[in-house]
Amino acid sequence: ILNVEQSPQSLHVQEGDSTNFTCSFPSSNFYALHWYRWETAKSPEALFVMTLNGDEKKKGRISATLNTKEGYSYLYIKGSQPEDSATYLCALNTNAGKSTFGDGTTLTVKP
Amino acid sequence: GAGVSQSPRYKVTKRGQDVALRCDPISGHVSLYWYRQALGQGPEFLTYFNYEAQQDKSGLPNDRFSAERPEGSISTLTIQRTEQRDSAMYRCASSSSGAGKLFFGSGTQLSVL
Repeated sequence: ILNVEQSPQSLHVQEGDSTNFTCSFPSSNFYALHWYRWETAKSPEALFVMTLNGDEKKKGRISATLNTKEGYSYLYIKGSQPEDSATYLCALNTNAGKSTFGDGTTLTVKP
Repeated sequence: GAGVSQSPRYKVTKRGQDVALRCDPISGHVSLYWYRQALGQGPEFLTYFNYEAQQDKSGLPNDRFSAERPEGSISTLTIQRTEQRDSAMYRCASSSSGAGKLFFGSGTQLSVL
């Protein structure tokens, strides 16, 4: 069984705060790491796909880094806004096939 | 289509009945995935296809679950003799390539009474 761990499970921040959370995964047999944003009552939407050690991706105020050797990825949100409130899922591919998801970090941004 | 379409959106059935859940992926997407999601958890892999070939069905819980994608487009997930523990959100996703980003449908919320 592949363990993809996300921490913290939930996070509450004030509007304007910057925050980050972690996705940990087995470093062997790495192929790709995905981040998804999932709003309640909607479907998960892809944020980033990362494949190389040291990859950094950015989309607006959200960015992500990847360390395949030690088996972790960080997602950063700069200047959090209430609309950033969602569950952030990471998913690991060990081959060009199935993605194994973590249970997500649920972010709540208070105005 | 413009996105991944799943039907029905909600399905309520009695224990012991068979159900069929349908997924219509984004046109041209090679890979199609089925996931199951319980409340408060991430999606749990069930099975996936490349074109019409089922590549991995290791996530199917038992032999009551099966899936097909006969023409490499629309897929059906069938659950026979449903049990209450089968109640969950069933999500379909498609991808233009293996390990590419997944595009999810809205899901089918299955309730087994």
